[in-house]
Amino acid sequence: NAGVTQTPKFQVLKTGQSMTLQCAQDMNHNSMYWYRQDPGMGLRLIYYSASEGTTDKGEVPNGYNVSRLNKREFSLRLESAAPSQTSVYFCASSERQAAGGPLHFGNGTRLTVT
Amino acid sequence: LAKTTQPISMDSYEGQEVNITCSHNNIATNDYITWYQQFPSQGPRFIIQGYKTKVTNEVASLFIPADRKSSTLSLPRVSLSDTAVYYCLVGDRNTGRRALTFGSGTRLQVQP
Repeated sequence: NAGVTQTPKFQVLKTGQSMTLQCAQDMNHNSMYWYRQDPGMGLRLIYYSASEGTTDKGEVPNGYNVSRLNKREFSLRLESAAPSQTSVYFCASSERQAAGGPLHFGNGTRLTVT
Repeated sequence: LAKTTQPISMDSYEGQEVNITCSHNNIATNDYITWYQQFPSQGPRFIIQGYKTKVTNEVASLFIPADRKSSTLSLPRVSLSDTAVYYCLVGDRNTGRRALTFGSGTRLQVQP
């Protein structure tokens, strides 16, 4: 039981390049989330998906797009990377968004944009 | 969503009890209080959640006064491995409006 798996673990991009961060969970959770964490800061919600087929913006959605591919997978895409998007990206899942149950996090993708 | 305020950092020694307080003055009636722990290079990990009074699990206790404008996470007899950042979140459990932002958290340093 792997929990929440994120790939890749590390990535370096040049300004203007695009990439997709992958996230998969094996806990049969309905809700999934993408957060970013800047050095010394807390986590900020980028996008979330309350259930398969739905996505909603979080606090800092600009510059990102998401796809809830199926119940297991939730990807985050940077269409044109900018240095301001250098951060650690965490994917999380929960049983149901409205249930207030705990968020289960992956170990993050460390992205550097030069 | 309710804004939370926590101390930036705390220091303790092994074997001591540590209490981390979080202020959430504008907490709403339906809001729950949840605490997470984060180690370096890892995602946060759920510790405990509560609505009022006291909640205890195998890891920690959560104390919430009657007015619910603050909460205190209590870690009994900490060890070096409890060195981490602790986040307090307040969010509506029933409608799905989770706390969007973790805030900067409290950095706990446990010394031998």
